[in-house]
Amino acid sequence: GDSVTQMEGPVTLSEEAFLTINCTYTATGYPSLFWYVQYPGEGLQLLLKATKADDKGSNKGFEATYRKETTSFHLEKGSVQVSDSAVYFCALSDRGPGNSGYSTLTFGKGTMLLVSP
Amino acid sequence: GAVVSQHPSRVICKSGTSVKIECRSLDFQATTMFWYRQFPKKSLMLMATSNEGSKATYEQGVEKDKFLINHASLTLSTLTVTSAHPEDSSFYICSASFFGGKRSTEAFFGQGTRLTVV
Repeated sequence: GDSVTQMEGPVTLSEEAFLTINCTYTATGYPSLFWYVQYPGEGLQLLLKATKADDKGSNKGFEATYRKETTSFHLEKGSVQVSDSAVYFCALSDRGPGNSGYSTLTFGKGTMLLVSP
Repeated sequence: GAVVSQHPSRVICKSGTSVKIECRSLDFQATTMFWYRQFPKKSLMLMATSNEGSKATYEQGVEKDKFLINHASLTLSTLTVTSAHPEDSSFYICSASFFGGKRSTEAFFGQGTRLTVV
């Protein structure tokens, strides 16, 4: 079945440091890939996505490139801020069962990012 | 992006009572809604998938008689935790997607509901 593996946290950085959170996946076919962010006590917000190989998703200074050859979708940011402290989830979307017409999301376990001033 | 509203955000209930959580898509018609449970420091566990007007599909290990899901309209799905016990305490999150003639590849999440059973 589909699976997503992301680096364990917490990742602790100082403000303005470079961030990388690794994510690799296994899936049949050609899934779409996502990064979601969850701030304390809140639900998930879509951060960025990529729907095909070599696509780069970007938002709020975060970037991730869909690498089919390495089955990876690593999240990067050049200069983190304290407000970026949150849990980041890598996820893939593949087709649902049969001809259901919907896609299901498979999540990684999440990586907590802590940024100090 | 599309907005999904989940209510209540927090609820405390006594053991043995039932709790209903609502998930509404505010500006789009959600043909499919998903219910997740999140344990502390762990990822989201998909509980069930519901399509409007049909019975929910539950994941293995999820008791359908305990977690009742109703998706009566294209903008509302409800999760009812029946006869709640302390072990049901958790963070529950819904998400919604729409199917417009092709497979949807994006889901929009509610804010989550923190359920505490005492």
